[in-house]
Amino acid sequence: KNQVEQSPQSLIILEGKNCTLQCNYTVSPFSNLRWYKQDTGRGPVSLTIMTFSENTKSNGRYTATLDADTKQSSLHITASQLSDSASYICVVSAAVKLSFGAGTTVTVRA
Amino acid sequence: DVKVTQSSRYLVKRTGEKVFLECVQDMDHENMFWYRQDPGLGLRLIYFSYDVKMKEKGDIPEGYSVSREKKERFSLILESASTNQTSMYLCASSRTVWTASGANVLTFGAGSRLTVL
Repeated sequence: KNQVEQSPQSLIILEGKNCTLQCNYTVSPFSNLRWYKQDTGRGPVSLTIMTFSENTKSNGRYTATLDADTKQSSLHITASQLSDSASYICVVSAAVKLSFGAGTTVTVRA
Repeated sequence: DVKVTQSSRYLVKRTGEKVFLECVQDMDHENMFWYRQDPGLGLRLIYFSYDVKMKEKGDIPEGYSVSREKKERFSLILESASTNQTSMYLCASSRTVWTASGANVLTFGAGSRLTVL
């Protein structure tokens, strides 16, 4: 069983709307959690990193949250744009080992 | 501004052929990685290297080998390609920064989509 579960698997939203992606993990010990964005035909690019002591971190219209007690993270996209259409991957670090979620595919429609 | 370059974006090979996938990074990173990405499975680590001529098996090394003769170059080799190796292959590199906050942001290449017929 994958130690990093993401939901939903995919979603479609209208331009300008908000959406939230979920990441639940069982990885231990926990070092940090990153969200990556992967555009079609490109490699993943890091959006945010969350350490154990951080609850919220923003990067423009992207806001990540972390609850280390329940081992859950979310990525909130505000006022979505067409360029937000991509796959979003949650990656959890346990010391030097990385565990990847399967990703959430977001499609933003005009 | 390209930092991790994968030599081939698309390849089509026949079963049994030998396949070379090459990756070059220009950031002087110590660590390099090969992943495969399949729908619904996420990225899975095949091999990684933390120094020249050093290599370590990842989670799914069977059927693959690697070569790192120079710091900037990491090659993935499929000695005898099989249809179940049809996949997207992603190369990544990182610095050796073992802190909680700085633990190795990965810089990925654009990927190589391999189809084995």
